[in-house]
Amino acid sequence: QVQLQQSGAELARPGASVKMSCKASGFTFTTYTMHWVKQRPGQGLDWIGYINPSSGFINYNQKFKDKATLTADKSSSTAYMQLSSLTSEDSAVYYCTRRINPDAMDYWGQGTSVTVSS
Amino acid sequence: DVVMTQTPLSLPVSLGDQASISCRSSQSLVHSNGNTYLHWYLQKPGQSPKLLIYKISKRFSGVPDRFSGSGSGTDFTLKINRVEAEDLGVYFCSQSTHVPPTFGGGTKLEIK
Repeated sequence: QVQLQQSGAELARPGASVKMSCKASGFTFTTYTMHWVKQRPGQGLDWIGYINPSSGFINYNQKFKDKATLTADKSSSTAYMQLSSLTSEDSAVYYCTRRINPDAMDYWGQGTSVTVSS
Repeated sequence: DVVMTQTPLSLPVSLGDQASISCRSSQSLVHSNGNTYLHWYLQKPGQSPKLLIYKISKRFSGVPDRFSGSGSGTDFTLKINRVEAEDLGVYFCSQSTHVPPTFGGGTKLEIK
């Protein structure tokens, strides 16, 4: 069965960076694009960007182009997202999800909570 | 960016009732390939969003036929017949026709 297993919660200081992972199983990793979505507490959903693990192509939402860095490792079927220069605005749950563009994001990981606090 | 506007914000229902949620986009969601990429998700408390309906009216794998989607262009509706306790949570509409993909603000389905 399709699974996207995300890494655990992160607590980080302002100005620091965090890197989270999303391990895919149950499907061919290189057939899909891997997307990341941000959700602040009690808020809606904000698309960060995606990576095509097959080609390496990356597309960022302009809002996050200086914040997020997406990578992927085909050998381990794992997608990664690094968030840099953290502020309190980055405290949120981050989801990875898969998609065959332009169709729906069909399966989602369980989310990685990031808390930025001094 | 395409703005997705959902109404109502909150929808109190009794179990067994029908529920209806509206979603309006700031521009047409008809793709150049002729498809309309409007989708619906349900997020239960403490969980990730789950896909219910894709491309306006197609039910995702395992989704009960109590859920139905309709609409075209910029106006779309999700209907839930005979609401059950497991249906409670926040519903989001989303478009992936245009880049970036965007989501509605959510409608909370709760017990009256």
